[in-house]
Amino acid sequence: KNQVEQSPQSLIILEGKNCTLQCNYTVSPFSNLRWYKQDTGRGPVSLTIMTFSENTKSNGRYTATLDADTKQSSLHITASQLSDSASYICVVSAGSGGYNKLIFGAGTRLAVHP
Amino acid sequence: ETGVTQTPRHLVMGMTNKKSLKCEQHLGHNAMYWYKQSAKKPLELMFVYNFKEQTENNSVPSRFSPECPNSSHLFLHLHTLQPEDSALYLCASSRTEHEQYFGPGTRLTVT
Repeated sequence: KNQVEQSPQSLIILEGKNCTLQCNYTVSPFSNLRWYKQDTGRGPVSLTIMTFSENTKSNGRYTATLDADTKQSSLHITASQLSDSASYICVVSAGSGGYNKLIFGAGTRLAVHP
Repeated sequence: ETGVTQTPRHLVMGMTNKKSLKCEQHLGHNAMYWYKQSAKKPLELMFVYNFKEQTENNSVPSRFSPECPNSSHLFLHLHTLQPEDSALYLCASSRTEHEQYFGPGTRLTVT
């Protein structure tokens, strides 16, 4: 069964600290993996997308890694800011793409406190 | 702004009401989607339209009725909903296999 598991469910950190969010997946065949950021009451916004051959992808203070062998991905946030408070969703695309083969994780809710 | 707009942003309706959610994309994409997002659950894909044709209906109850008059507009017609249908309804669009761009969502409360 195709699944995406994210951990932790929620996380509280102090402003300026770093944190790492985890995503484990059992999706086959794997196409790509995306991390989205979703602010409260808003739609998800894409942060990074990685294909099978990519190990790491950065977007400002966000760095995503992918280990296709262990089927794990992480999202590292550096020097956190209050505006980083949001849900972070890992999404894995199965097969050769297509419109209905996205497997969503339940998200990690991050709260950054001053 | 991602180029995908949704109206209304908030909706409260009784179980006997009929209402519609609207989505519009200004990105020139050919595919549009409806998702349901309940608290602490992954997004659930409801419907997919590609070039105005419905290509996916993930066993959604008939009280949800989608309509896609053109590639830029997508509607979700609602009638005789249940309280458990209360959720955030997200619209998204994409160009073929590229990443999906999401709208801000409609927060629906069924009383």
